[in-house]
Amino acid sequence: EIVLTQSPGAPSLSPGERATLSCRASQSVRSDYLAWYQQKPGQAPRLLIFGASTRATGIPDRFSGSGSGTDFTLTISRLEPEDFAVYYCHQYATSPWTFGQGTKVEIK
Amino acid sequence: EVQLVQSGAELKEPGESLKISCKASGYSFASHWIGWVRQMPGKGLEWMGNIYPGDSDTRYGPSFEGQVTISVDKSISTAYLQWSSLQASDTAMYYCARPRSYLDNNNFPQPYYFDSWGQGTLVTVSS
Repeated sequence: EIVLTQSPGAPSLSPGERATLSCRASQSVRSDYLAWYQQKPGQAPRLLIFGASTRATGIPDRFSGSGSGTDFTLTISRLEPEDFAVYYCHQYATSPWTFGQGTKVEIK
Repeated sequence: EVQLVQSGAELKEPGESLKISCKASGYSFASHWIGWVRQMPGKGLEWMGNIYPGDSDTRYGPSFEGQVTISVDKSISTAYLQWSSLQASDTAMYYCARPRSYLDNNNFPQPYYFDSWGQGTLVTVSS
């Protein structure tokens, strides 16, 4: 099973700042089959990024994904108030599919 | 537009059985995998399994194999998640979600990332 470890745990940032979220895999994620989701309280997760770096339909370009192999990053270039949420990485390359434990981006 | 509409919240006692549903619309149900994800209170997301409605090929996560049953009814474009005997530890929000598909070397659809999610079904198990 591929274990995904996300960091930092719970960054406190201000609107307008840059957020850099990390996802490290315990083994290489084949074909960069890694996605990022955003989840707000009381809502279902929403797909942001798939294939490590491709934005999903309708996702603002302030969200970007990068990385390959075992190290992946989600960057939010300038935080908007609606971006404060929990973010999960997810690998769908190898069964069982796994998620990271989540990173909560909090308002400072 | 892809829509996944889940059944309503459930309050059950330990030992009871339960079947929750996820009705799909806006796409060809039989041609796309569909999956279930658990979120325990205050916790992260856990993949439970995926099913291909075309032939009911089902893949379970190791923590859920033998604990739940995933099934579909193609005639009404609905997926199900079922327990035969609930435990308090089954208390959670359960989401259905549709993976995008890609064709493998044998021209068979394989599941990809989840691109559409249901609204969630809260299951509470308490005596």
